[in-house]
Amino acid sequence: EDQVTQSPEALRLQEGESSSLNCSYTVSGLRGLFWYRQDPGKGPEFLFTLYSAGEEKEKERLKATLTKKESFLHITAPKPEDSATYLCAVQARGTSYGKLTFGQGTILTVHP
Amino acid sequence: DTGVSQNPRHKITKRGQNVTFRCDPISEHNRLYWYRQTLGQGPEFLTYFQNEAQLEKSRLLSDRFSAERPKGSFSTLEIQRTEQGDSAMYLCASSPDGVTGELFFGEGSRLTVL
Repeated sequence: EDQVTQSPEALRLQEGESSSLNCSYTVSGLRGLFWYRQDPGKGPEFLFTLYSAGEEKEKERLKATLTKKESFLHITAPKPEDSATYLCAVQARGTSYGKLTFGQGTILTVHP
Repeated sequence: DTGVSQNPRHKITKRGQNVTFRCDPISEHNRLYWYRQTLGQGPEFLTYFQNEAQLEKSRLLSDRFSAERPKGSFSTLEIQRTEQGDSAMYLCASSPDGVTGELFFGEGSRLTVL
């Protein structure tokens, strides 16, 4: 069974204090790993897709990386508006498109 | 393009009642998904439609749950004889053909069963 574990569960940062979120996964053949952002009371918003170990994607202050067992979401010089829950998800080869297995998320709070 | 729309946004019901949620996907998206999310957890896959065909259902979707997508447009998710354990956020998402994993989620329908 596919499994995704995210750590830490919650992270508090000061504005400008860079850090990383971890996503460990177990999947029977990875088709893709995905990062989403979720604001309170809203649906998840897609951020990145990573397909193979060594791949990196960047968007503003966020950078996602992938190894064979885990992915990291690096946040550089975060701002209060980066506060949200960050979700990691995997899709296994041979499964239906859009059938993702999500982790429980990391709640990020950035204080001014 | 107004995004994925879900109604109602909030529903409070008594145990044993039936509830129905509606999802209007992004108009050009052929694929539609339902997920369920409980507090402090990530979304869990429930079911997937390609146009009007329901191609996969999770084991989480008991006999009390039914989903439809008539004519491949909007979708409904009905829960019969609700139980307190059904309390959750029900999320609908859509995506175009040829793209994997990049789902466009609605804001969800929150169900509270008393």
